[in-house]
Amino acid sequence: NAGVTQTPKFRVLKTGQSMTLLCAQDMNHEYMYWYRQDPGMGLRLIHYSVGEGTTAKGEVPDGYNVSRLKKQNFLLGLESAAPSQTSVYFCASSYARASGGKETQYFGPGTRLLVL
Amino acid sequence: RKEVEQDPGPFNVPEGATVAFNCTYSNSASQSFFWYRQDCRKEPKLLMSVYSSGNEDGRFTAQLNRASQYISLLIRDSKLSDSATYLCVVNNLGANAGKSTFGDGTTLTVKP
Repeated sequence: NAGVTQTPKFRVLKTGQSMTLLCAQDMNHEYMYWYRQDPGMGLRLIHYSVGEGTTAKGEVPDGYNVSRLKKQNFLLGLESAAPSQTSVYFCASSYARASGGKETQYFGPGTRLLVL
Repeated sequence: RKEVEQDPGPFNVPEGATVAFNCTYSNSASQSFFWYRQDCRKEPKLLMSVYSSGNEDGRFTAQLNRASQYISLLIRDSKLSDSATYLCVVNNLGANAGKSTFGDGTTLTVKP
């Protein structure tokens, strides 16, 4: 199993450009998440999905949109990139929200985004 | 006040030392708790879950105090390879089901 994969690994954008980050998981997980991590800080939840076709806002959703058309994929879109969106973006997935260890989140390797 | 707060660190300790990290959470409805480890420029990985009765995994011991709303991680006999950032994570059920809240992390450097 590849686990959680993210593409691209690194990207440079100019202010106002748009892009889509792709996250894919092959563990048949119901839950998927997008986080951003800024230097010296923890992860902040952007959006998440509790199943195919559903999405919900997290802590910092402004400026981002997401889609979960297939269970294994979770896309994060930036319609008009801003320098404040320079960050490392991590995708994660988990089997369920119940206890018993099934809520363990598995992370992708991250996408480093620089917006000039 | 942040929902999850950790010792700011950094912690610099010699090999073989015992070190403890604390984490407090503000939502009394929080249901499950975890410690994740994040190496420099890498993704976070689960270190251990934290159970009400406390749990141990080798040199690592996690404790939960629901009354005081804090969790702790104790590392005994520190190794160089323990150098990393340790993230406290809290999951909530109910209205916030499906979301995890991460602390900002505590950085540990173990020196020879």
